[in-house]
Amino acid sequence: DVKVTQSSRYLVKRTGEKVFLECVQDMDHENMFWYRQDPGLGLRLIYFSYDVKMKEKGDIPEGYSVSREKKERFSLILESASTNQTSMYLCASTRRNQPQHFGDGTRLSIL
Amino acid sequence: AQSVTQLDSHVSVSEGTPVLLRCNYSSSYSPSLFWYVQHPNKGLQLLLKYTSAATLVKGINGFEAEFKKSETSFHLTKPSAHMSDAAEYFCVVSGRMEYGNKLVFGAGTILRVKS
Repeated sequence: DVKVTQSSRYLVKRTGEKVFLECVQDMDHENMFWYRQDPGLGLRLIYFSYDVKMKEKGDIPEGYSVSREKKERFSLILESASTNQTSMYLCASTRRNQPQHFGDGTRLSIL
Repeated sequence: AQSVTQLDSHVSVSEGTPVLLRCNYSSSYSPSLFWYVQHPNKGLQLLLKYTSAATLVKGINGFEAEFKKSETSFHLTKPSAHMSDAAEYFCVVSGRMEYGNKLVFGAGTILRVKS
């Protein structure tokens, strides 16, 4: 079974802090994704990566950046956290043209 | 561009009765369509997928969905609801990227199952 692991289930940070969310997958997938999930809005794509050191903006990249130094790890970075970034964050990975596999999510609160 | 509309934000059924979760999609070409389920405090799990083979798709846990191109619909059904089916369900259309697939999610339908 594919395993996508997000390092934290719950995280509380303060406005202005730099926040790192980590995601690791164990199936040698080329593609990795970061989404945020908000009630009534479904999941919205923040960034994705199709190879090491490669990244592409999704639909809502503002206020976020990403890093993919190794194939198995994809990090989401909030450069200066704000309260409107309080949300559930989900990481996913996949091979090309295959369904995405999701982690359990990180519930981030910015105070 | 692709889009998905889930017609009901909440659906409530009694245990043992049929489930119908409705989804309409928009796509400029022949789409790939998915249903995912999310149980509380968990990630998303793939229920089933349509990729232009049979129009009636069977998934896990007794769920199935029918692709109807003329109606641009991909409704999810189950003959008999179980308490463990209570969760949020997402209808998803796959858009093409140069590398891999971009998923476009509906807003979700919360299924409540009453005993």
